[in-house]
Amino acid sequence: AQRVTQPEKLLSVFKGAPVELKCNYSYSGSPELFWYVQYSRQRLQLLLRHISRESIKGFTADLNKGETSFHLKKPFAQEEDSAMYYCALSGEEYGNKLVFGAGTILRVKS
Amino acid sequence: GAGVSQSPSNKVTEKGKDVELRCDPISGHTALYWYRQSLGQGLEFLIYFQGNSAPDKSGLPSDRFSAERTGGSVSTLTIQRTQQEDSAVYLCASSQGWVYEQYFGPGTRLTVT
Repeated sequence: AQRVTQPEKLLSVFKGAPVELKCNYSYSGSPELFWYVQYSRQRLQLLLRHISRESIKGFTADLNKGETSFHLKKPFAQEEDSAMYYCALSGEEYGNKLVFGAGTILRVKS
Repeated sequence: GAGVSQSPSNKVTEKGKDVELRCDPISGHTALYWYRQSLGQGLEFLIYFQGNSAPDKSGLPSDRFSAERTGGSVSTLTIQRTQQEDSAVYLCASSQGWVYEQYFGPGTRLTVT
């Protein structure tokens, strides 16, 4: 079965510090991995997906198939990065439905 | 343009009552999804519609839950004989097709008392 694990419920860092939000997955085929973000009082929105290899708002994520990980990283956190972050997985075998991790709250302190 | 909309934004109902939640997807999007966001379960898939294909109902938690999509556009999620454990935020998303980005609505917060 496909599964996404985000081990940290809360990650608190100081402004300017590096950020790494961890995500591990289990999937038998070729997965598509995503990071979604939900800012306070806003709707859930796509931050980035592994196939696009983009850097959005300074965030990057590399798919490591050997470690089955898709950690989200940013070298210098900003206060406006404070939000709930969800790692999600999809795959052809399961249509395009997303399987989400439990989410990690990122708090960036000034 | 207009994003995914959902109504009502909040719904309080008594245990045992039926509720209907509505989703208006982005115009032209052929795929529509329902998810549930709750404290104990996180974000979980409920049901998926793609064009005229039979919906994927594999995530519906019980037969009290059903959904339909009329005319390939608006969708209604119905919960019969609501229970307290149904309390959650119900999210709808749409996309241009199954390989494309999903756009989420603001959600309906359902509270069963």
